[in-house]
Amino acid sequence: GAGVSQSPSNKVTEKGKDVELRCDPISGHTALYWYRQSLGQGLEFLIYFQGNSAPDKSGLPSDRFSAERTGGSVSTLTIQRTQQEDSAVYLCASSLAGGLAKNIQYFGAGTRLSVL
Amino acid sequence: GENVEQHPSTLSVQEGDSAVIKCTYSDSASNYFPWYKQELGKRPQLIIDIRSNVGEKKDQRIAVTLNKTAKHFSLHITETQPEDSAVYFCAARWALGQLTFGSGTQLTVLP
Repeated sequence: GAGVSQSPSNKVTEKGKDVELRCDPISGHTALYWYRQSLGQGLEFLIYFQGNSAPDKSGLPSDRFSAERTGGSVSTLTIQRTQQEDSAVYLCASSLAGGLAKNIQYFGAGTRLSVL
Repeated sequence: GENVEQHPSTLSVQEGDSAVIKCTYSDSASNYFPWYKQELGKRPQLIIDIRSNVGEKKDQRIAVTLNKTAKHFSLHITETQPEDSAVYFCAARWALGQLTFGSGTQLTVLP
């Protein structure tokens, strides 16, 4: 079946604008994760959704960042009033289950965000 | 939360030689340790993983070892090939399923 799909693949925006990044997980996967990868850096955890549970937002760097997951499937990551330091690749991953079950995370190709 | 340290940050080996990448983690409750390979401009892809109840796992030229007492785990690639060149990330799973990633190792296999 199809893998994790993210859109857009590239986004260029001006400082101060809001942006929305979309993630479509693998069908049937109940867990969804957002990560941020700055140039030449590792993956920084942002937020985690598991089923209908309240999301773990502990990785969000500021209140300008928010995410939602509608109907337990598609997720949108919103960054308000973008800053230049928000420039990075935003990666989404999904897994069959969360918690302590075996949950291999499959990644999307990412959205490269450039804030001018 | 979990903290994962990864070394080295860059590694160059001759084709056919072995490569070893090491990671340490801080949370003794972590129970799952995957390794991801990321080629330039591509998404991270799982290459091997190990659970905390196993000390070693092997898949063809790739192996991972885990020392729970010392809280470190390593990736071993034997008979390296040019297509092994990529960035490799280790990770540890803590809490409810989040992965904490190491900072990555840029592996270059020289022909």
